[in-house]
Amino acid sequence: KQEVTQIPAALSVPEGENLVLNCSFTDSAIYNLQWFRQDPGKGLTSLLLIQSSQREQTSGRLNASLDKSSGRSTLYIAASQPGDSATYLCAVPNAGGTSYGKLTFGQGTILTVHP
Amino acid sequence: DGGITQSPKYLFRKEGQNVTLSCEQNLNHDAMYWYRQDPGQGLRLIYYSQIVNDFQKGDIAEGYSVSREKKESFPLTVTSAQKNPTAFYLCASIPRGQITEAFFGQGTRLTVV
Repeated sequence: KQEVTQIPAALSVPEGENLVLNCSFTDSAIYNLQWFRQDPGKGLTSLLLIQSSQREQTSGRLNASLDKSSGRSTLYIAASQPGDSATYLCAVPNAGGTSYGKLTFGQGTILTVHP
Repeated sequence: DGGITQSPKYLFRKEGQNVTLSCEQNLNHDAMYWYRQDPGQGLRLIYYSQIVNDFQKGDIAEGYSVSREKKESFPLTVTSAQKNPTAFYLCASIPRGQITEAFFGQGTRLTVV
């Protein structure tokens, strides 16, 4: 059974810092890994989808890397801003069979960026 | 605009009452999912459906029921058998035939009163 772990559980940084969020998974046979952002009381917003054949994916100040063999992904946020404060979740899908697309989530990292 | 719409945003349930949460998508996605989110426990899968008129139990299906009569709609009923229904419920969809990006609705906060 796939298990996803995110470290740290919470992170508080001053504005302008570069930071790294970590995600690890136990079964390396994944098709992709997705990073989400969740604001309090809101749904999930997809940030980046990184396919298993890719090593990196970038969107603006965000960069996600994937190392399947070691079961790890990192989300790098450059020049953090107070508006980046949110919970960040990573998830991997089950592939094929009757559990197609079922996502297994980490418990998230709560990020606070203070001015 | 294409997306997933969940309603209502807030829902209150009395003891012993069944309530239904709505999830509608206009993305033409085949697969739809219901997750429950509790503080400190992450998201857990309740039910999912890959095609119309078919659905499967997820990890915590007890006390819940679903239907999938239309491709666009996947309502979740929280029955009186669910002993601890207070939670945040999220609906998601992805297209079938490829492993790709999952899209989520804005969620429904259910509270037992």
